[in-house]
Amino acid sequence: EPEVTQTPSHQVTQMGQEVILRCVPISNHLYFYWYRQILGQKVEFLVSFYNNEISEKSEIFDDQFSVERPDGSNFTLKIRSTKLEDSAMYFCASRTGGNYNEQFFGPGTRLTVL
Amino acid sequence: DAKTTQPTSMDCAEGRAANLPCNHSTISGNEYVYWYRQIHSQGPQYIIHGLKNNETNEMASLIITEDRKSSTLILPHATLRDTAVYYCIVRVKGYGQNFVFGPGTRLSVLP
Repeated sequence: EPEVTQTPSHQVTQMGQEVILRCVPISNHLYFYWYRQILGQKVEFLVSFYNNEISEKSEIFDDQFSVERPDGSNFTLKIRSTKLEDSAMYFCASRTGGNYNEQFFGPGTRLTVL
Repeated sequence: DAKTTQPTSMDCAEGRAANLPCNHSTISGNEYVYWYRQIHSQGPQYIIHGLKNNETNEMASLIITEDRKSSTLILPHATLRDTAVYYCIVRVKGYGQNFVFGPGTRLSVLP
């Protein structure tokens, strides 16, 4: 069964450094999402992406964040200058087009900012 | 989006049916009810969704009341691996919209 994959599973970085989190959505999916979950808290929406542009973003997704679909398979989340409070699990999700809204989530990347 | 209310936690004996309730009294006519679960810190896993008819798949059944103000997710024979946080989300179908996750119900399946 097709799955969303994410790399790396765990990323440790120093405050102020740039990180890129990578996702490979399910191959025939058209809508892509990033969510995050700070330890012990709710899953929070960051951004959605369709047709090579951002379709929706939350207040969390400020100028430090960017997303890109550099080729036909990868979907990346970049954090330009990480802060301690960016430490969280980051989940990528994707879904097909049309009228189906079930999003399928990847296993997540645990980002630890020191 | 309609707000959902779920119990904070529930216990269920292994092998018994787990019935997880969700209230969504402000749901509108074109909003679907989706259920996801999250085991430990893994990615949320899609379970089932429905509009007004009851739905069943290999994982669970979804019972939606006639007035659509509440629903129940049923895991017919809970196993220890069903221990997770279960999220009930109400959303309009389609249009690429994101999901808004609440705190969910922490289900503990006990041996």
